[in-house]
Amino acid sequence: SQTIHQWPATLVQPVGSPLSLECTVEGTSNPNLYWYRQAAGRGLQLLFYSVGIGQISSEVPQNLSASRPQDRQFILSSKKLLLSDSGFYLCAWMNSGANVLTFGAGSRLTVL
Amino acid sequence: GDSVTQMEGPVTLSEEAFLTINCTYTATGYPSLFWYVQYPGEGLQLLLKATKADDKGSNKGFEATYRKETTSFHLEKGSVQVSDSAVYFCALFSGGYNKLIFGAGTRLAVHP
Repeated sequence: SQTIHQWPATLVQPVGSPLSLECTVEGTSNPNLYWYRQAAGRGLQLLFYSVGIGQISSEVPQNLSASRPQDRQFILSSKKLLLSDSGFYLCAWMNSGANVLTFGAGSRLTVL
Repeated sequence: GDSVTQMEGPVTLSEEAFLTINCTYTATGYPSLFWYVQYPGEGLQLLLKATKADDKGSNKGFEATYRKETTSFHLEKGSVQVSDSAVYFCALFSGGYNKLIFGAGTRLAVHP
């Protein structure tokens, strides 16, 4: 069966520090991968998605970047965090050609 | 572009009350429609889905019917429980762009 893992689950970082959130999917190949952000009390904002290795689509201009170095690995990064980067980050995957999105447990980032 | 609009929350109900959370969408073509649920501190879980007009998705006592004529996908449950307290997200699959578009979410609080 397919599983999705996200880490770290919780992160507290100072303003200006770098960020790396990692997401991996097991039990499938060539999935579509997604990063969403959920700010406190707000809905879901799609940040990035990828349909293949090295292929990244950015939905909104921001302080973050994403990379897909391997088929089932999706990384969210920042060189210098801002206070506004605080939020709950969710990784998700979907089989190519399907339409059901499966989410990881999320990573809660607090920037101080 | 494609979009989803949900009723604003929070929705506060007593146990065993009837629940309706409204959702309407704007899309070209005939998208698949979804309801996801997010329990406190967790990622999102698929609750139910419908892929074509007049389809009814159902799960755990929740139901939603795909109404093309009113472009709606309202979530209903006949008798809510305290354990149903969560945030509910309506979403549509924008197939041309390989991504799910979410509404802002509706927080439901059920009191004993």
